[in-house]
Amino acid sequence: NTKITQSPRYLILGRANKSLECEQHLGHNAMYWYKQSAEKPPELMFLYNLKQLIRNETVPSRFIPECPDSSKLLLHISAVDPEDSAVYFCASSLGQGAGNTLYFGEGSRLIVV
Amino acid sequence: GDSVIQMQGQVTLSENDFLFINCTYSTTGYPTLFWYVQYSGEGPQLLLQVTTANNKGSSRGFEATYDKGTTSFHLQKTSVQEIDSAVYYCAMDDSGYNKLTFGKGTVLLVSP
Repeated sequence: NTKITQSPRYLILGRANKSLECEQHLGHNAMYWYKQSAEKPPELMFLYNLKQLIRNETVPSRFIPECPDSSKLLLHISAVDPEDSAVYFCASSLGQGAGNTLYFGEGSRLIVV
Repeated sequence: GDSVIQMQGQVTLSENDFLFINCTYSTTGYPTLFWYVQYSGEGPQLLLQVTTANNKGSSRGFEATYDKGTTSFHLQKTSVQEIDSAVYYCAMDDSGYNKLTFGKGTVLLVSP
């Protein structure tokens, strides 16, 4: 799916700060961050709609999302922890309501050493 | 609480075999049900979804029926191919804002 691009694709970190980036070229209004830990299903972290933060699913405060415009989504991570090792998927949908199909990016794999 | 149960962690088949992946859900709401497929190194892709009870969804030869009576949404395909090898997730959304609750996933391995 080249219509949702994420960078970097792979990231190996010690206890440092880093930002993940996502851009969608689908004209969607809603954007999401999902976290997928090893051998587990994805779990919702944040939802933005029209650049407004709508949902924060009790994510640790070291994760700070940012939506500079409706096509871009950032995830700032400070002082990463080993439990943060996971694949972080950006997703988008036309609207935030039920029935709006979610499209996922290819993910950013974070490895914390 | 809301949950989606996939009992089969892995299914191993040969090409042209019949596929059946079990999925049941638990919620007090009126969910939309989904099957997502995730190929290695990629994000999940929607395979099919059904919003209304007793309706069937189908895509690429896969089908699933939203059975409210048995709270099930099993995935079937008559004849699998090697390219179908992937992880299949059953999921539901009754949040109204695309908070998908996924099952644990079923790894499908199809040998030629």
